[in-house]
Amino acid sequence: DIQMTQSPSSLSASVGDRVTITCRTSQTISNYLNWYQQKPGKAPQLLIYAASNLQTGVPSRFSGSGSGTDFTLTISNLQPEDFATFYCQQSYSSPRYSFGQGTKLEIK
Amino acid sequence: QVQLQESGPGLVKPSETLSLTCAVSGDSISSSDWWTWVRQPPGKGLEWVAEIFHSGNTNYNPSLRSRATISIDRSKNQLSLRLRSVTAADTAVYYCARLQGDYLYFDDWGQGTLVTVSS
Repeated sequence: DIQMTQSPSSLSASVGDRVTITCRTSQTISNYLNWYQQKPGKAPQLLIYAASNLQTGVPSRFSGSGSGTDFTLTISNLQPEDFATFYCQQSYSSPRYSFGQGTKLEIK
Repeated sequence: QVQLQESGPGLVKPSETLSLTCAVSGDSISSSDWWTWVRQPPGKGLEWVAEIFHSGNTNYNPSLRSRATISIDRSKNQLSLRLRSVTAADTAVYYCARLQGDYLYFDDWGQGTLVTVSS
């Protein structure tokens, strides 16, 4: 199975900051990598699909990049509503989908 | 946009069977790609459970050791999940979600239903 490792597990940032979250996979997955945001008590929401494509309705301050085994999610100009937990998910080994362990973004 | 609504018992005893349904509205369950269940133990990450194609083809997470059965009821436009021989480790919020696109992303989710396994 493909292992997903996100880093950091948690981070603190301030409104207006730029933050980067990394997802590394145990084997190459091309660009079969998706990102989700989850707020407490809510279902995850798709942010980025195919590593770098912004889902409809998602603010442009969110961006994704990467290919192979290393991927990043960047949030520019952090807004109060962005503080949440973020997950990466691979679909290369469909149907054995796997998620990263999550990165909790907190307000500094 | 499709709407998904899970329902379930809330509390299940160990060794019994967990049964969940997910009502789909805004789209026919026969018209789209894959329909799935994803679960999340309290305070932990996400785990894919099972998927079913609108034609009836199914796939399961091997970690569930054949305890799970996913199905579709086209007349009711809903999908279901049964998980047999549950233990405390099956305690989780269970989400139904639609899997779409060439890159197989979960683009629509239900609000989730918490199932606690306890005697």
